[in-house]
Amino acid sequence: AQSVTQPDIHITVSEGASLELRCNYSYGATPYLFWYVQSPGQGLQLLLKYFSGDTLVQGIKGFEAEFKRSQSSFNLRKPSVHWSDAAEYFCAVGFYTGTASKLTFGTGTRLQVTL
Amino acid sequence: DSGVTQTPKHLITATGQRVTLRCSPRSGDLSVYWYQQSLDQGLQFLIQYYNGEERAKGNILERFSAQQFPDLHSELNLSSLELGDSALYFCASRSGTGRPGNTIYFGEGSWLTVV
Repeated sequence: AQSVTQPDIHITVSEGASLELRCNYSYGATPYLFWYVQSPGQGLQLLLKYFSGDTLVQGIKGFEAEFKRSQSSFNLRKPSVHWSDAAEYFCAVGFYTGTASKLTFGTGTRLQVTL
Repeated sequence: DSGVTQTPKHLITATGQRVTLRCSPRSGDLSVYWYQQSLDQGLQFLIQYYNGEERAKGNILERFSAQQFPDLHSELNLSSLELGDSALYFCASRSGTGRPGNTIYFGEGSWLTVV
């Protein structure tokens, strides 16, 4: 079965520091991978996605993610975190069941940014 | 703004009652998804419709039902509400034929509190 693991429930970084959020997936075929961000009281906004091509994907707000098939990982990175990046981040894997496309989310990582 | 509109934004109701959550997908999107987000269960897929037809079911309780109308808006009906149904309910829509790589856009959610 398809699954997504985000091993870090909560991460705290200082403003200006680099960030890496971990995501591991389990899926038998080529995965479609997504990172979403949820700010407090808001819906989920797509940061970036990967489904083929270059394994380093650029997204919005200065985020990037790297797909590593050998490690079944799709970690999210940002070189310098801003206080406004404090939010919850969700990794997700998309797949096709034969009749429908579905999106399975990880449990999320809450990012706290200290000034 | 994702283009997905959900109403109401907040709702407080008593146990045993029934509520209806409404979703208008992005213009032209045929697929509508419903997700439930709670503290203990995370983001759980409930159900998907494509052009009026149910396509996939997730962890949706029998007390819950949904439909998608000819104008493509969707409603999620929650009945015999229990305290544990308190959650943030997201609607999302996807363009095209529902290929897994197509982005799913989320609304801002409907906060349901059952007292």
